[in-house]
Amino acid sequence: GQQVMQIPQYQHVQEGEDFTTYCNSSTTLSNIQWYKQRPGGHPVFLIQLVKSGEVKKQKRLTFQFGEAKKNSSLHITATQTTDVGTYFCAATFTGGGNKLTFGTGTQLKVEL
Amino acid sequence: GAVVSQHPSWVICKSGTSVKIECRSLDFQATTMFWYRQFPKQSLMLMATSNEGSKATYEQGVEKDKFLINHASLTLSTLTVTSAHPEDSSFYICSAAHLSGRAGEQYFGPGTRLTVT
Repeated sequence: GQQVMQIPQYQHVQEGEDFTTYCNSSTTLSNIQWYKQRPGGHPVFLIQLVKSGEVKKQKRLTFQFGEAKKNSSLHITATQTTDVGTYFCAATFTGGGNKLTFGTGTQLKVEL
Repeated sequence: GAVVSQHPSWVICKSGTSVKIECRSLDFQATTMFWYRQFPKQSLMLMATSNEGSKATYEQGVEKDKFLINHASLTLSTLTVTSAHPEDSSFYICSAAHLSGRAGEQYFGPGTRLTVT
């Protein structure tokens, strides 16, 4: 089946450092979404990217969708302890309707 | 807006019993709801897609006779884990696609943590 790989699996950073997580697919994506899940919580929608090469920003978060629509990244500038959690990308594929395929997730830990 | 609730938030049951989990879209209508399962430190795995008024579509490897899904209205879908066993212990999360929302956008419920003893 269609898979979405995400790296790294874990990332420990010092507060103030930047953080990036990457998602890759061997198949062209229809769109990609990013979610954040705090420990013990449920995924919370962050953003959706639809267009090739699209870049969106939310305060310290920058989301990119690759030109070929096969990869995406989430970059956090100057991490804070509130950024702690697992970040998932989730993709829809052409012909798959609203069905989301989640990436493997990147767990971010931020140390003071 | 776009709030999804789940009930119960957690449940402990004995092996062999059945458990029903409800997923409700509180302030919008959802033609499609999705059921996911998440094991500790793993990603969300789609179990089935539930469409209002029709049979659910199950993902490969998910037993439809064990995980019964009913989507009787535009605001309610239920997942019943029948004859639960300890290996069914997991975090079950539903999501709902807004009837008039953007393509692909889903709103997630808070999840139900199931423990089978």
